[in-house]
Amino acid sequence: NAGVTQTPKFRVLKTGQSMTLLCAQDMNHEYMYWYRQDPGMGLRLIHYSVGEGTTAKGEVPDGYNVSRLKKQNFLLGLESAAPSQTSVYFCASTQTVGSTDTQYFGPGTRLTVL
Amino acid sequence: GQNIDQPTEMTATEGAIVQINCTYQTSGFNGLFWYQQHAGEAPTFLSYNVLDGLEEKGRFSSFLSRSKGYSYLLLKELQMKDSASYLCAVVDSNYQLIWGAGTKLIIKP
Repeated sequence: NAGVTQTPKFRVLKTGQSMTLLCAQDMNHEYMYWYRQDPGMGLRLIHYSVGEGTTAKGEVPDGYNVSRLKKQNFLLGLESAAPSQTSVYFCASTQTVGSTDTQYFGPGTRLTVL
Repeated sequence: GQNIDQPTEMTATEGAIVQINCTYQTSGFNGLFWYQQHAGEAPTFLSYNVLDGLEEKGRFSSFLSRSKGYSYLLLKELQMKDSASYLCAVVDSNYQLIWGAGTKLIIKP
C-alpha cells in the first residue's frame, strides 16, 4: 500500500506557465482534497471531491482547476501561474463521505513561481 | 467567520511535559483533530475528540471542552523526535476541516 502519492515533489515555474499536479491514492477512498500550506497560516482547502466525476470549490479556489476522472486520481491544474501561488501543496483522502474519518496526506509538492 | 487559535511556538525540555492549547470558533462542530507535522513532511494523525473529556494514547493525550470551544494536546516524557508542528483542526457543520496555523514545538536537551 503506497497510501497517497503526489507528483512532482518539487517544481519551479515562471509566471504565466501552466502545470498539473497529480495525486493518487490506493485506499479506495471516496473523498479527496487539495490544500495549500503557507508559512504562518493553516492548511487552506483549494478544491475537493466527494467521488469520481465530482469536484467542489473550497476556501481558496481562484486560479486553480481540478478533475477527478478516476476514483484513485485527483488532478490540480494551474492554468497561468502567479507568484502568489508559491506554496506547498498537499493532497489528502478520506474513506467515507461526510464523515469525521482521518484524512491521509500525500508527501506534498513544493512549488515556486518566479 | 471561523477561527482556530494556537500558540505559534513553544519550547520544552527533553523528558518534561508540555501542553499545547487550541481554541476555536466555528460554524458547527463535528469533532476536533490533532495532527503532527515534522518539518518538510506531511501531517500525520494523532488524535480525534468529539465528546468532552480526555483521550489518552500512550505519551499523548487530548482534551476537549465543547462548551468552552477549547482543546489541548498533552505530551509527556518528551523526546527529541517530538520536535515538530502540531496542528489543531475542527470539523465544521459541512464536515470540512478548519485548520489552525499550527504550534511549532522545540525540544531542548
